[in-house]
Amino acid sequence: QKEVEQDPGPLSVPEGAIVSLNCTYSNSAFQYFMWYRQYSRKGPELLMYTYSSGNKEDGRFTAQVDKSSKYISLFIRDSQPSDSATYLCAMSLYNNNDMRFGAGTRLTVKP
Amino acid sequence: ETGVTQSPTHLIKTRGQQVTLRCSSQSGHNTVSWYQQALGQGPQFIFQYYREEENGRGNFPPRFSGLQFPNYSSELNVNALELDDSALYLCASSSGTVGPFEQYFGPGTRLTVT
Repeated sequence: QKEVEQDPGPLSVPEGAIVSLNCTYSNSAFQYFMWYRQYSRKGPELLMYTYSSGNKEDGRFTAQVDKSSKYISLFIRDSQPSDSATYLCAMSLYNNNDMRFGAGTRLTVKP
Repeated sequence: ETGVTQSPTHLIKTRGQQVTLRCSSQSGHNTVSWYQQALGQGPQFIFQYYREEENGRGNFPPRFSGLQFPNYSSELNVNALELDDSALYLCASSSGTVGPFEQYFGPGTRLTVT
């Protein structure tokens, strides 16, 4: 079993839809949870990070962490074609030198 | 403020050869981390350099080695290349090693081993 599991998709939605992206993990010691967006031929860029359980909102993006279920989610409201990318979840114990990434979910938002 | 840059963009090598990849960190950042991203997979942590010293290493063999220079730029060296080393190699820079995980990734070097 991988430490971090992420549905690879691909996921295709119409513009304006609400998108839900999810990851599960096995290591209960993870404390920091991140979501990255990676456009084709680019490096990942940090969208949001959360410490421990709870929700965090930033514009159209909401990150949720449920440590009891070892499950994290990223919701994108009013999705736009520019949101089309691969979304990677990542998690860490303490520092940024022990991060574990999911395999990524490829999202396409159709106009 | 310049972003993270990597060179070369693409590289083709033969099995058994050696390769050096380069990374220039973002201005003001003293930490560089290297990742390997195989096709269809998430990045895997190789190692990190903080102020010219190795600060953590992932599950990669010793033929993966690195350096960080006084200007905080960094090199990743891979000896005795294997076919499975074909991947996108990413570097990320940050100011420090602990949260808030504001790592800035470069565009990567695509390495193909034949």
